[in-house]
Amino acid sequence: KQEVTQIPAALSVPEGENLVLNCSFTDSAIYNLQWFRQDPGKGLTSLLLIQSSQREQTSGRLNASLDKSSGRSTLYIAASQPGDSATYLCAVGAGFQKLVFGTGTRLLVSP
Amino acid sequence: DADVTQTPRNRITKTGKRIMLECSQTKGHDRMYWYRQDPGLGLRLIYYSFDVKDINKGEISDGYSVSRQAQAKFSLSLESAIPNQTALYFCATSFGALGEQYFGPGTRLTVT
Repeated sequence: KQEVTQIPAALSVPEGENLVLNCSFTDSAIYNLQWFRQDPGKGLTSLLLIQSSQREQTSGRLNASLDKSSGRSTLYIAASQPGDSATYLCAVGAGFQKLVFGTGTRLLVSP
Repeated sequence: DADVTQTPRNRITKTGKRIMLECSQTKGHDRMYWYRQDPGLGLRLIYYSFDVKDINKGEISDGYSVSRQAQAKFSLSLESAIPNQTALYFCATSFGALGEQYFGPGTRLTVT
């Protein structure tokens, strides 16, 4: 059974810092991996989707990498801003488009 | 306008009541999903549908049923609600086998 772990569970940084969020998964036979952002009381916003054949994807200040062989993905956020404060969720496409989610990293960026 | 909408956004109901949560999408996607989110457990898949005639159980389907009324509509029913079904429920859509999933705003359900 695929299991997804995100470490740390919470992270607090000052504005302007570059940071890395980690995601690990137990079964390397994945279709894709998706990073989401969730604001309190709101739905999930898709940030990046990496297909299994890709190594990384970039969108603005965000860069996500994927290493299937080691069962890891990282989300790099450059020059963090208070507006980046949210919970970040990693989800692995485990087959037939079913996503298996981690429990998230709660990020707080202070001014 | 939002591409994936859910109604109601909040609902409080009593144990034993039947309740339906509705999801609509304007993205033209073929695949639709229902998830629930509980603190500390992450999101878990309840049901998914690849098209109108295809319905599949997810990880935690017991106590739930679904109906795909049209390509754009997917509803989730709790036939007899119980307190441990109190959670945040999300609908999601995607296109094709490797498509990105897009989520609705969620329905906060409380069963007393």
